[in-house]
Amino acid sequence: DQQVKQNSPSLSVQEGRISILNCDYTNSMFDYFLWYKKYPAEGPTFLISISSIKDKNEDGRFTVFLNKSAKHLSLHIVPSQPGDSAVYFCAASGRSGGSNYKLTFGKGTLLTVNP
Amino acid sequence: DTAVSQTPKYLVTQMGNDKSIKCEQNLGHDTMYWYKQDSKKFLKIMFSYNNKELIINETVPNRFSPKSPDKAHLNLHINSLELGDSAVYFCASSPSMNTGELFFGEGSRLTVL
Repeated sequence: DQQVKQNSPSLSVQEGRISILNCDYTNSMFDYFLWYKKYPAEGPTFLISISSIKDKNEDGRFTVFLNKSAKHLSLHIVPSQPGDSAVYFCAASGRSGGSNYKLTFGKGTLLTVNP
Repeated sequence: DTAVSQTPKYLVTQMGNDKSIKCEQNLGHDTMYWYKQDSKKFLKIMFSYNNKELIINETVPNRFSPKSPDKAHLNLHINSLELGDSAVYFCASSPSMNTGELFFGEGSRLTVL
């Protein structure tokens, strides 16, 4: 049962253009969402997060949008750079019965930014 | 100086063997985790410890036994290895239980033959 879905296994974008990575979730108890980036042979690194009380969070070239009614979030990278080429994981968490964050990850989307 | 370090990075072993993966973090974090990334690429939480205390045990078989001798270390011991245990195991840490911003190690690729 995939509670966090990243339906696009891969995405290819030209340098300087916008990259849009999408994520859907099914669990309405999720209230905190994160994006992680992963290079080959490395562990995932935290990129940006958003709480369900917001619909947008921006950090430099990275913006995450949350549409709670559609249970959908997206990560926008503008402008895209070759160094952004990596696997991007969407993750979600809900505070069920406490303050422990148990992240549920999607399968990831491989972003390739072409020079 | 690696923040979250795991050893070994690669491990190839036979079915039925017992193996351990070690994890150390030098970030001063209170919370540590083990995640498993299987062949389908999902990252799934296995265990979470906060200040050496088990917080999350995500219905992992008893063959998997985490041990946290202190809050900077979380080791994973696996008994009677099975083919399905082949995966990449990631250790992670966070400043507290109250954040989803985790710092991951590089992963340990376990192959069971």
